[in-house]
Amino acid sequence: EIVMTQSPATLSVSPGERATLSCRASQSVSSNLAWYQQKPGQAPRLLIYGASTRATGIPARFSGSGSGTEFTLTISSLQSEDFAVYYCQQYNNWPWWTFGQGTKVEIK
Amino acid sequence: QVQLVESGGGLVKPGGSLRLSCAASGFTFSDYYMSWIRQAPGKGLEWVSYISSSGSTIYYADSVKGRFTISRDNAKNSLYLQMNSLRAEDTAVYYCARGVLGVVGYYFDYWGQGTLVTVSS
Repeated sequence: EIVMTQSPATLSVSPGERATLSCRASQSVSSNLAWYQQKPGQAPRLLIYGASTRATGIPARFSGSGSGTEFTLTISSLQSEDFAVYYCQQYNNWPWWTFGQGTKVEIK
Repeated sequence: QVQLVESGGGLVKPGGSLRLSCAASGFTFSDYYMSWIRQAPGKGLEWVSYISSSGSTIYYADSVKGRFTISRDNAKNSLYLQMNSLRAEDTAVYYCARGVLGVVGYYFDYWGQGTLVTVSS
């Protein structure tokens, strides 16, 4: 099983500031990594796939980078609607998909 | 627009059974691989089961293998999860999700709102 580790667990950021979230895989997943956003009581929403490609309708302030075992999700200027939990997920080893434990982005 | 609507959750005793359904609309259901993914209260996401577009290929997480059965009815645009021998640790919100092919492998582009399964005596 590929273990996905996200850091930090919680990120406190002021609106308008930049947020940088990290995701590490226990072995290479190439660029087969997705990021999801989940708000309380809602289903996860796909933000990024292929490590760096924004999904349909996702604002440009969200960007993804990385390959192999190290990945980053950057939110360039946090808006109020961006405070949520973010999960990374590898799909290189499908169908044995695995998710990180999540990073909560909260208002500072 | 793509819609996935789960149903069938509820409270069940340990050892009991439950059948979840996911009604799909807004896309050609028979063209897509589908999965069930769950989230225990306050926890992260755990993939549970996968079924190919035709239903010919099925996989399960080790945690549910032998107890859960995934199936689909393409004529009814529906996905199912039969859950038997339920345990307290199966308590979670269960999501159905549509798989879309990346360069290698499938990620999940649409998710339903989920249905809560609570296993408790």
